Amino acid sequence: DAMVIQNPRYQVTQFGKPVTLSCSQTLNHNVMYWYQQKSSQAPKLLFHYYDKDFNNEADTPDNFQSRRPNTSFCFLDIRSPGLGDAAMYLCATSRSSVEETQYFGPGTRLLVL
Amino acid sequence: RKEVEQDPGPFNVPEGATVAFNCTYSNSASQSFFWYRQDCRKEPKLLMSVYSSGNEDGRFTAQLNRASQYISLLIRDSKLSDSATYLCVVNTANSGYALNFGKGTSLLVTP
Repeated sequence: DAMVIQNPRYQVTQFGKPVTLSCSQTLNHNVMYWYQQKSSQAPKLLFHYYDKDFNNEADTPDNFQSRRPNTSFCFLDIRSPGLGDAAMYLCATSRSSVEETQYFGPGTRLLVL
Repeated sequence: RKEVEQDPGPFNVPEGATVAFNCTYSNSASQSFFWYRQDCRKEPKLLMSVYSSGNEDGRFTAQLNRASQYISLLIRDSKLSDSATYLCVVNTANSGYALNFGKGTSLLVTP
């Protein structure tokens, strides 16, 4: 059974048109992460939630926002997507501390036209 | 200097071969180490954590050398299904929850 679910799997948007990606988890993990991965590059952490506490990485553009309305769900909002935002967006969870395994969802591939 | 560096490969090996990947990390305060596997256009999946004493899981052996700041992964008796990108992942306590990923080493096992 899927433990970290991401919807949609593929998202096409227009330049400048806001888009929301969703992630849900059945693991009841405290920590949820959003990563951006471009072709042939390493996943790059954008931000994470520890419970309701939001932690933004210093170099994450303001164009990227996140919401976590409850333990199970976390959203990534891209307010004005640019061509450079086309990437795979990966959601991950971990139970608590960073030393623990992170479980990744299948990702949402975003295309910006 | 990147925090986690890997040889991108590709490593092309025949079935049954033994192959080893190395990874170096720059922050001596790093505390947790992992190898993840990522198939083409799929999400990363944990292959194994890397412990100070070294650890083995079937055909896979991981080693950590803190003095030289490198991690290795050895795959014995390679299978076609081992073809993937192997990501070296390091955490440093003072980086909070950020895992630092290497760019990955690409492995292709051929018949």
